[in-house]
Amino acid sequence: DVKVTQSSRYLVKRTGEKVFLECVQDMDHENMFWYRQDPGLGLRLIYFSYDVKMKEKGDIPEGYSVSREKKERFSLILESASTNQTSMYLCASILSGGGYGYTFGSGTRLTVV
Amino acid sequence: QKEVEQNSGPLSVPEGAIASLNCTYSDRGSQSFFWYRQYSGKSPELIMSIYSNGDKEDGRFTAQLNKASQYVSLLIRDSQPSDSATYLCAVNEGGYNKLIFGAGTRLAVHP
Repeated sequence: DVKVTQSSRYLVKRTGEKVFLECVQDMDHENMFWYRQDPGLGLRLIYFSYDVKMKEKGDIPEGYSVSREKKERFSLILESASTNQTSMYLCASILSGGGYGYTFGSGTRLTVV
Repeated sequence: QKEVEQNSGPLSVPEGAIASLNCTYSDRGSQSFFWYRQYSGKSPELIMSIYSNGDKEDGRFTAQLNKASQYVSLLIRDSQPSDSATYLCAVNEGGYNKLIFGAGTRLAVHP
């Protein structure tokens, strides 16, 4: 069964910490995405990547960066965590051509205190 | 700004009834359309995809697409309490692999 795996289901971090969220997919997908989801705001795209070492800003990139050194791994980095970054973070991947839709990871519920 | 719009609900239907969920989109270049189901605290899971005008059926689910009207819908027949979830409509951004999501419709099926 194909999978997108997010390294942590729940995380609690302190304000100002540097936070790494990891996402690994085993489907050989070229395209990977990071979203955050907040009540009433839906899914908001943070960053995405169409290829290794390639990244594009989404709708809300401020305060975040990403890394894609290998095709299967896409990392989201919170440079200095703040309380307004408390959220559910979802990683997704999709095969080029887009015809099959995203496969989502199970999500990481991040709380910044 | 390309948009996907859904009624936020909640849509409340009795068990055994047909639930009808609707979605409109703004990007005429979109070619692929998806419905995701999301239970509270979980990640979205893909339940239906549709690419051509008309209906596509899969079990109790039917997706309907009308590209001229830029309209996608999902029908759930014989609704069950286990269908209670938020349903997200997603549309590919024309020519790209990126999906644009609606905010979701919350469905509540009561016994």
